[in-house]
Amino acid sequence: GEDVEQSLFLSVREGDSSVINCTYTDSSSTYLYWYKQEPGAGLQLLTYIFSNMDMKQDQRLTVLLNKKDKHLSLRIADTQTGDSAIYFCAESSNTGRRALTFGSGTRLQVQP
Amino acid sequence: DADVTQTPRNRITKTGKRIMLECSQTKGHDRMYWYRQDPGLGLRLIYYSFDVKDINKGEISDGYSVSRQAQAKFSLSLESAIPNQTALYFCATSASGTGGNQPQHFGDGTRLSIL
Repeated sequence: GEDVEQSLFLSVREGDSSVINCTYTDSSSTYLYWYKQEPGAGLQLLTYIFSNMDMKQDQRLTVLLNKKDKHLSLRIADTQTGDSAIYFCAESSNTGRRALTFGSGTRLQVQP
Repeated sequence: DADVTQTPRNRITKTGKRIMLECSQTKGHDRMYWYRQDPGLGLRLIYYSFDVKDINKGEISDGYSVSRQAQAKFSLSLESAIPNQTALYFCATSASGTGGNQPQHFGDGTRLSIL
């Protein structure tokens, strides 16, 4: 079945760049998503990328997709303390359950 | 007002009780989903519905049931709650779209504790 994996924890200093990585196994993935979850809140969609793209930039966020290696990354430039949260990678495809498969989430800690 | 509203936000109950979690949305989306979140496990899909007459089991549907009362409402029931159903539950919605994939939008979650 589909599987999405992420590292559990990342710590960076304020002002540095953060890179959160994700790998997935489903070769039929069509969309890949990044969600942010702040404490006590639901998941907020940050950005998504269609599988025929290799990069998408949105303000401080850059998503890179290596479809050959099934590797997705989220780069946050000039990381701020407000970026501290759990970040989830998710994928969907046109086959199977037609719903999202989530990674276990990466907790980003930003140190002042 | 939130586009996807879950009620209650928090609930503590006892083993064996029947529980209903409710979700309503104002986004006009056809598709609705229920997930549960457990520490270190991400989100796992319980049930999903692509329209009022369409209900599908997700990967962990045992012990749960759902009802799609209207396009805007999707409720999740635990007929006889057990402690390992203690978790954070999320409702999500998405639009129908080309290729069948559209971003999902989440409610703020219901924290359910079963003693």
